[in-house]
Amino acid sequence: GNSVTQMEGPVTLSEEAFLTINCTYTATGYPSLFWYVQYPGEGLQLLLKATKADDKGSNKGFEATYRKETTSFHLEKGSVQVSDSAVYFCALRKAAGNKLTFGGGTRVLVKP
Amino acid sequence: KAGVTQTPRYLIKTRGQQVTLSCSPISGHRSVSWYQQTPGQGLQFLFEYFSETQRNKGNFPGRFSGRQFSNSRSEMNVSTLELGDSALYLCASSLGGEGANYGYTFGSGTRLTVV
Repeated sequence: GNSVTQMEGPVTLSEEAFLTINCTYTATGYPSLFWYVQYPGEGLQLLLKATKADDKGSNKGFEATYRKETTSFHLEKGSVQVSDSAVYFCALRKAAGNKLTFGGGTRVLVKP
Repeated sequence: KAGVTQTPRYLIKTRGQQVTLSCSPISGHRSVSWYQQTPGQGLQFLFEYFSETQRNKGNFPGRFSGRQFSNSRSEMNVSTLELGDSALYLCASSLGGEGANYGYTFGSGTRLTVV
């Protein structure tokens, strides 16, 4: 079946540090890949997405590149802020279905 | 435009009771999906409705059911509640349609506590 594996947290960083959250997936075919962010007490917000190999999704300074050869979709941000403290979820959706399969989530804490 | 609205935000129920949660999708969205989020199991897919028909279903017992109305609003019902049903239930809406590269918009969730 489909699965998503992402690095366990928490990840604790200082403001302006570089952030990387690793995400790898297992799926047949060519899934679409997503990063969602969840702030305390809220639902999930779509951060970025990529729908085919070598696509780069980007939003709010975050980037992730769809790497088919390594089945990865790592999230990066060059300079984090305290407001980036949240839980980040990597997810995939198979082209032929609507179900999202999520990774376990990575909690990020940015300290001033 | 209005986002995805889930009601109620918080709910406390007793074991053995049943509960109904509601989700109003973004106007024009015809697909509604439900997810359960718990610290132990993470985010798990419950089911998805499109144009009043259940199109996909996750691996949950029959106590979990749902439906969608002609205005795309959806409800999910959990009967004979168990302590393990305590979770954040999230609803996501999308335009729908097989294979389309669309995004999902999530609501803020309903926090269900079973005591």
